[in-house]
Formats: sequence, C-alpha cells, structure tokens
Amino acid sequence: GAGVSQSPSNKVTEKGKDVELRCDPISGHTALYWYRQSLGQGLEFLIYFQGNSAPDKSGLPSDRFSAERTGGSVSTLTIQRTQQEDSAVYLCASSLVRVNTGELFFGEGSRLTVL
Amino acid sequence: QQPVQSPQAVILREGEDAVINCSSSKALYSVHWYRQKHGEAPVFLMILLKGGEQKGHDKISASFNEKKQQSSLYLTASQLSYSGTYFCGTDSTGANNLFFGTGTRLTVIP
Repeated sequence: GAGVSQSPSNKVTEKGKDVELRCDPISGHTALYWYRQSLGQGLEFLIYFQGNSAPDKSGLPSDRFSAERTGGSVSTLTIQRTQQEDSAVYLCASSLVRVNTGELFFGEGSRLTVL
Repeated sequence: QQPVQSPQAVILREGEDAVINCSSSKALYSVHWYRQKHGEAPVFLMILLKGGEQKGHDKISASFNEKKQQSSLYLTASQLSYSGTYFCGTDSTGANNLFFGTGTRLTVIP
C-alpha cells in the first residue's frame, strides 16, 4: 500500500526486555515523526527526523529510548530495558514538508504491552 | 511546547454546533487539526498558516489568530460521523515539527 506502515502491530514483552518498533514512511516523504499515545491520552511527541538534519530528540522520555532513520527512509524506535509505564501505542507519521501544506500521515501504530 | 485544548470533552446532539479551542504559549508558524476515531490513526483535517487565516470544508472550519497564538475549530450542524477525538498540533519553529494538545473528545448522539 501507499500509506505509512508500522510493525509489529502488537508487541507483548516482559519488563526489562528490549523492543524494536519499525516504521516505513510514505515514499518520498522527508519528514518522519514518532509519537506515543497512552490509553485515553493525547499524542506525546518523541522524535522528529527531517531530511539530513539532526533529529529533534527533545521528546524522548529517557536514555532507554533511541531512534534512527536509515537512508532517509525506514525508522526504528528502540526501547531498552522496558518498563510497565512504556506500555502505549507508538505512532509513526510522515510528511512531505512544503509551503502551505505538510499534513502528517499516520500509521496504524504499534501497541506495546509490557508485563 | 504542548498546546492547551479546551474543552476536554463535549457531547452534542445531531445538528448542534461546537467550538474547540487551542492555545499556545509560543508564537506559531502553523496549526494543524486532526481527528482520531476510536482504534484508528489520526486523520488530517486542515492546516492554518502564519498570517492569520480561516479555512473550512463542508461544515468544519477553523480560524488562526496569530497574535493571540490561538486557533479554534468550528463544527456546525454536527453529524454522527463527527464523533472522535480532535487534536490540534502546533509548529513554533517553521520546521513542521508538531506538538499536539491533549485532545478534545467529541461525542455526537442522535
């Protein structure tokens, strides 16, 4: 499909384990975003990649969280030593940033449950 | 950097109107509005750019007051399909890095 693809759609892990969440943005989109949405809550900004610029990591909640974007396309969000409070839906979005637009296209999310 | 939305929740009967407000403590380049239905991804509604403008399509419109750093979303003659959580996203750098509000849950009942 032509939309933003995220995997896995669901992940159950034990406390203390590491997890990797993957995002395939829409082809050609230069901007990629990660947000976290806890149950019934808003969209919490995590990290923003824009082209070749240094990513804005200001939203990462702790040094257990990291993300990379390889070749300006696919991105991986890694959570090390997971904690129960990390349980949430992790949403990825991409956009083609240009004047007068820049709408974000969201993926369906990766639901993470830490037991 | 997170904008503040109000109200947190609102219940409407079909045909009634609603206003959702979004305010920021920072000067803004743009404001986005998105709607998220339960269990689905957020979907783009519209973007308003610096310079102050108003936009709309169908019975959903929005305004952006740059000086007050506020935006409002107007839903008129609400339909059942309008139910969902509405988020405003604000960009204070011009780089399209969006910070979202906590959302407004809108429920439209028959």
